[in-house]
Amino acid sequence: QQQVKQSPQSLIVQKGGIPIINCAYENTAFDYFPWYQQFPGKGPALLIAIRPDVSEKKEGRFTISFNKSAKQFSLHIMDSQPGDSATYFCAASRSGSARQLTFGSGTQLTVLP
Amino acid sequence: DAGVIQSPRHEVTEMGQEVTLRCKPISGHDYLFWYRQTMMRGLELLIYFNNNVPIDDSGMPEDRFSAKMPNASFSTLKIQPSEPRDSAVYFCASRPTGTLGEQYFGPGTRLTVT
Repeated sequence: QQQVKQSPQSLIVQKGGIPIINCAYENTAFDYFPWYQQFPGKGPALLIAIRPDVSEKKEGRFTISFNKSAKQFSLHIMDSQPGDSATYFCAASRSGSARQLTFGSGTQLTVLP
Repeated sequence: DAGVIQSPRHEVTEMGQEVTLRCKPISGHDYLFWYRQTMMRGLELLIYFNNNVPIDDSGMPEDRFSAKMPNASFSTLKIQPSEPRDSAVYFCASRPTGTLGEQYFGPGTRLTVT
């Protein structure tokens, strides 16, 4: 019940395309859903996050869509650029337990020039 | 702030040797987390500390792994003896109390055990 399932494992798009990465969770106690971006040789870094009281959040070219009833959330990258090529992890946390992050398995995104 | 600092960045050692990984969290952050990242298992939480006290070490794979946090600005993860299957990237992350869970990761230590 602690798992966060992420798909696809890898994704290749052309520059300007809109890659979409999906995540699903089971534990309804989760109340914070961040996305992390990781470049090769670097640690993951927070990209954008959402709470379940809203259905969508945008920050620049990055948008999270959240479907509470389906227990799913997704990351959309508008007008994707080669510099967006990285591994993306969804995650979830709940109050208590130090707000540990439960990570998805990651999606390796390649944006072709 | 310099962010989370980890050392060494790369470590190559022979099976059976002791390995010590080091982490300096961001000043003022009360929580410190150690993760291991591999292709097969993704990001795994090994242990976390709150105010220098180990809270949950259920992710530590074996007794060969140990972690300490002697003060608020320093933590170590030790593997003794090391084995080839310990080869991975080890990350340290920290976060302050009162946030929803945003963690700040260090650059990681790439460990290779031959």
